[in-house]
Amino acid sequence: DTEVTQTPKHLVMGMTNKKSLKCEQHMGHRAMYWYKQKAKKPPELMFVYSYEKLSINESVPSRFSPECPNSSLLNLHLHALQPEDSALYLCASSHPGLAGANLDEQFFGPGTRLTVL
Amino acid sequence: SQQGEEDPQALSIQEGENATMNCSYKTSINNLQWYRQNSGRGLVHLILIRSNEREKHSGRLRVTLDTSKKSSSLLITASRAADTASYFCATGGTGGFKTIFGAGTRLFVKA
Repeated sequence: DTEVTQTPKHLVMGMTNKKSLKCEQHMGHRAMYWYKQKAKKPPELMFVYSYEKLSINESVPSRFSPECPNSSLLNLHLHALQPEDSALYLCASSHPGLAGANLDEQFFGPGTRLTVL
Repeated sequence: SQQGEEDPQALSIQEGENATMNCSYKTSINNLQWYRQNSGRGLVHLILIRSNEREKHSGRLRVTLDTSKKSSSLLITASRAADTASYFCATGGTGGFKTIFGAGTRLFVKA
């Protein structure tokens, strides 16, 4: 199985809602990533988990809260979002290299299209 | 500013022609990768070139890397309408998992 799955595909939420995005992979990858992508822009790294531990947090606002319950799952909990947070949220995974660096290709999921009203 | 910058921003060619996209970056890298993204979808990995490699081929793709100039190019030969997509370079730093994507080139191949 060389697939990264993401649910839901689309999500519309109000600024007071709490919702979660889910990502799953069964390739045995031990590095997992969350990216945010606005229209016609490149993906921007938000978080990286390596061996289920948060490795990188790119100064993301606390209204985004990542969670890695096990080596196959990655969640992104959303609370009190703003309309400017509307974007495509992409999950990816990869094999971590020896010294904790990313030396391999990343496999991406199809993304969750998030709209905040 | 971003690590990877690409040019051109947009490219329109006829089917059968070759397409060349360039990427420049600023700091030391472990590797450089190219990805394709069809409209509003996830990214698909195309090719990875490591910092000690100068050229790599995969099917109709040819990637070069010049670490002295901190630049890379992606050549797609004999383009097809199905190659229409956005193409991003992405650099992996020497220190960890941080991956930075270039601004991307939007390629349109006319049938």
